[in-house]
Amino acid sequence: AQRVTQPEKLLSVFKGAPVELKCNYSYSGSPELFWYVQYSRQRLQLLLRHISRESIKGFTADLNKGETSFHLKKPFAQEEDSAMYYCALSSNTNAGKSTFGDGTTLTVKP
Amino acid sequence: ETGVTQSPTHLIKTRGQQVTLRCSSQSGHNTVSWYQQALGQGPQFIFQYYREEENGRGNFPPRFSGLQFPNYSSELNVNALELDDSALYLCASSWDQLSTGELFFGEGSRLTVL
Repeated sequence: AQRVTQPEKLLSVFKGAPVELKCNYSYSGSPELFWYVQYSRQRLQLLLRHISRESIKGFTADLNKGETSFHLKKPFAQEEDSAMYYCALSSNTNAGKSTFGDGTTLTVKP
Repeated sequence: ETGVTQSPTHLIKTRGQQVTLRCSSQSGHNTVSWYQQALGQGPQFIFQYYREEENGRGNFPPRFSGLQFPNYSSELNVNALELDDSALYLCASSWDQLSTGELFFGEGSRLTVL
């Protein structure tokens, strides 16, 4: 069975500090991993996916198959990064059937 | 290009009633997935529709059913509502069932069952 765990419900950092949002998963096949973000009063939207190996808004995430993790990192947090972040996993053929974690609320304090 | 739209945005029902939620997919998308998001939890996959056929289902009972129309819009129907069905229901569309690309979400329909 697929499972995604985000161990921190809440995470608070100061502006300019590094931030890491943790995501661990369990899946027997080859997973596709995603990070979604929901800003206040906005809809859920894709932030980044591991297959793209891209940096979006300064965020990066590396898939570590040995540790079954896909942590989201940013070296210098900004106040506009405050949002709810969800890690999600799908099979390598259908992103529509994703398993989501329960999310981490990130607050970046001035 | 229009995004994913859902209706209604909010509704209140009583136990035992039936509800229909609607979703218009993003222009050009032929695949719609439905998710249930209970308070404080992440979205949970209900089922997916691809070209008017159900294409996979999560761990939800048969009283959760759906439809997809030729224009790729979709409906989620829930019969015999229970208190635990109270949640935000999200619709997400994508280019194709075999897509590992981006899911585009609607703003959701918030259902309260009393």
